[in-house]
Amino acid sequence: AQSVTQLDSHVSVSEGTPVLLRCNYSSSYSPSLFWYVQHPNKGLQLLLKYTSAATLVKGINGFEAEFKKSETSFHLTKPSAHMSDAAEYFCVVSAAGGSYIPTFGRGTSLIVHP
Amino acid sequence: DSGVTQTPKHLITATGQRVTLRCSPRSGDLSVYWYQQSLDQGLQFLIQYYNGEERAKGNILERFSAQQFPDLHSELNLSSLELGDSALYFCASSVGLTGNTGELFFGEGSRLTVL
Repeated sequence: AQSVTQLDSHVSVSEGTPVLLRCNYSSSYSPSLFWYVQHPNKGLQLLLKYTSAATLVKGINGFEAEFKKSETSFHLTKPSAHMSDAAEYFCVVSAAGGSYIPTFGRGTSLIVHP
Repeated sequence: DSGVTQTPKHLITATGQRVTLRCSPRSGDLSVYWYQQSLDQGLQFLIQYYNGEERAKGNILERFSAQQFPDLHSELNLSSLELGDSALYFCASSVGLTGNTGELFFGEGSRLTVL
């Protein structure tokens, strides 16, 4: 079986300050991990993915995430938040134990204040 | 634009009714996934098709069914609708069979409201 836990349902930051969205995963097999973003009334878009290559993964719009096997974590960060980053963010795991079906976390709503 | 098209975008219907949601995957993608997004359950995997064949089933109710046609478009049929079926239904497509290496491309969803 596989699962992800997004540790915060809401994160609030000021524009220009760092962003940290936390994700822990559970998987009996080596996982692939993804972060997706969903803007209001839109579909989900891939931000970045980890598929057993480099543990520090860079994505679009300045986001990056680090795979830490010892901590079973895949936290998403960005050095400086923009107003346009306000959205819902989903951490996703896919592994053999779940038949490689992408399993989504509950989501973290990022709020960016001017 | 992800290249995945879902229709209708919005649908309002009554309890007990039946609806069909349609998805056209991105050109060249053979896999189609259906997910249900609701406030209390988050994004739940329903079913996956690959090149016309059912490949994996998730938390899909018996009242729900799906299929993928030879032209690779897919339909999700929801019958005997209940108030709790109100949700946003997403279709996603990918090139390959498994979801561990590739990106899923999502449509903008079909919002179903059951009154």
